[in-house]
Amino acid sequence: GENVEQHPSTLSVQEGDSAVIKCTYSDSASNYFPWYKQELGKGPQLIIDIRSNVGEKKDQRIAVTLNKTAKHFSLHITETQPEDSAVYFCAATYNFNKFYFGSGTKLNVKP
Amino acid sequence: GAVVSQHPSWVICKSGTSVKIECRSLDFQATTMFWYRQFPKQSLMLMATSNEGSKATYEQGVEKDKFLINHASLTLSTLTVTSAHPEDSSFYICSALDRGGGNTIYFGEGSWLTVV
Repeated sequence: GENVEQHPSTLSVQEGDSAVIKCTYSDSASNYFPWYKQELGKGPQLIIDIRSNVGEKKDQRIAVTLNKTAKHFSLHITETQPEDSAVYFCAATYNFNKFYFGSGTKLNVKP
Repeated sequence: GAVVSQHPSWVICKSGTSVKIECRSLDFQATTMFWYRQFPKQSLMLMATSNEGSKATYEQGVEKDKFLINHASLTLSTLTVTSAHPEDSSFYICSALDRGGGNTIYFGEGSWLTVV
């Protein structure tokens, strides 16, 4: 099955700086890669996703890049704000049959 | 955007009783829903895949007789924790697949279960 690894497990940045979270996956057939933000005591919220036919996608301060050859994808948050502080999860799936999640990254944005 | 509603958001039950958690897709039909369990500071652990009109597919190590899943309609899946024990206390999260919305997964807000 698929194996998704996520790094770092914790990330602390100063407000206004950029944050990058990286994930690798093992199954080259995986074709959909979402990123979720989870705040304490709440369910994950989709923040951005990318499909295997695209190399990069951007939505305001958030971007995701995908390198299919190397089998890794990354979340980039620019101009971080305190409200970006949360746990972020990456995931990978082939045709939405099962979603395999990374172990999560706790992002702390210091004001 | 699409919304997945989960109810109750938190529940306390006595050991030995059963508790039901509902997962509803509010503005789309979801033939497939997923149930996860999450322990503090850990990732989401997939418990089972729920398909409308058929039996759920359970992940290895998940007791199907303990965690009963029913997906009787295109907008509702339920998870029943039977004969609950304190070790079943956890955060349970459902997600629903919106195939008509470009194959996007939306998560519910989660349900905190505490068994005393």
